[in-house]
Amino acid sequence: DAKTTQPNSMESNEEEPVHLPCNHSTISGTDYIHWYRQLPSQGPEYVIHGLTSNVNNRMASLAIAEDRKSSTLILHRATLRDAAVYYCILRDGNYGGSQGNLIFGKGTKLSVKP
Amino acid sequence: GAVVSQHPSWVICKSGTSVKIECRSLDFQATTMFWYRQFPKQSLMLMATSNEGSKATYEQGVEKDKFLINHASLTLSTLTVTSAHPEDSSFYICSAAGTGGWSTEAFFGQGTRLTVV
Repeated sequence: DAKTTQPNSMESNEEEPVHLPCNHSTISGTDYIHWYRQLPSQGPEYVIHGLTSNVNNRMASLAIAEDRKSSTLILHRATLRDAAVYYCILRDGNYGGSQGNLIFGKGTKLSVKP
Repeated sequence: GAVVSQHPSWVICKSGTSVKIECRSLDFQATTMFWYRQFPKQSLMLMATSNEGSKATYEQGVEKDKFLINHASLTLSTLTVTSAHPEDSSFYICSAAGTGGWSTEAFFGQGTRLTVV
């Protein structure tokens, strides 16, 4: 079972920021928070991941709560190409074993309106 | 970023035949690859974990004799759907972990759309 909870869907206007929330109240100390997105008929695409500190890259920012029980993916300026299903996934950072599997929940379907 | 390539992108086969799907890591060595299946409007479901040079580990409910996985090299894993039936029609996706271990990102192939007629 997925260990994260996300809203089923969200809407955004083009060129506006989008905040995608994720709850992971049972996160363990070695779990990394990963975000991937999937466009229709494509494999998932890596977006960002982090452990404790907030992270920024060219695609997005990841804000992690101090207690790590929730996180927010931030798209600073949504474009039509950002319309996708966004998955928040916990991944055990310990090397080896099946804990490294990425178990996908239902994700959040983001719609972007022009 | 690292690239994972799947082939073919789509395939149509007759019921009862077998289909092989290849997953290659193009610019890194992947000791572990994962195979997922995705039905329409559903999320990805992990089928099996493939380790180079050893037998794959299948998730509960996935028939190992029907979905044969071979990971003979550090850059290639294959999934063979044997005696395919219409209910096996699905989107199959492979993934490989980065060389930094589980703390790094995973890379996904573009997926293979299998249609069994």
